[in-house]
Amino acid sequence: GAGVSQSPRYKVAKRGQDVALRCDPISGHVSLFWYQQALGQGPEFLTYFQNEAQLDKSGLPSDRFFAERPEGSVSTLKIQRTQQEDSAVYLCASSPYMAGEGQPQHFGDGTRLSIL
Amino acid sequence: DAKTTQPPSMDCAEGRAANLPCNHSTISGNEYVYWYRQIHSQGPQYIIHGLKNNETNEMASLIITEDRKSSTLILPHATLRDTAVYYCIVRVAGGKLIFGQGTELSVKP
Repeated sequence: GAGVSQSPRYKVAKRGQDVALRCDPISGHVSLFWYQQALGQGPEFLTYFQNEAQLDKSGLPSDRFFAERPEGSVSTLKIQRTQQEDSAVYLCASSPYMAGEGQPQHFGDGTRLSIL
Repeated sequence: DAKTTQPPSMDCAEGRAANLPCNHSTISGNEYVYWYRQIHSQGPQYIIHGLKNNETNEMASLIITEDRKSSTLILPHATLRDTAVYYCIVRVAGGKLIFGQGTELSVKP
């Protein structure tokens, strides 16, 4: 496909379970971003990768959140010991070059995570 | 981090121009203004961006004031499919986008 692909589209988990969310960026895109969007709010930055290097993880809300991009393409966001406040839409975005100016980010449609 | 202020909601008649304002008074000299929109259950869609000059593409026009403290997104002929939440964003160093609450635009027949 031509766009950013995220899976699963919907995920329901019980409180305390671990979850893994996948992002397939546009082929060849160097930069990859994760955002969290609570209901009725704008997306909030979580973390940023340039190829396989995680250059900014300042937005991760706790050490239960972990992201990786081992080969510089597909990325996984993992949440351990999920809590109800983790319920949100998790969005992935990619852009062609390093996170410089003038390069728009292209978003996937997100994974809607619901913690029961 | 530079922040933006937008009206929470606006209405527009189908076929008319939609003018969406945004204030970004704390913007730095090298920060771009980006506009995205989000339709329910979809990810944000890139519309346009600019630094100092006005910009136009197939979707919209972006007018930035000379002092760069505010901008306006113009959809020249709004359609029902333009109903969405529109976000004005100042991109900060390191590339991350800081979204605000956005403007919920309702295009009415």
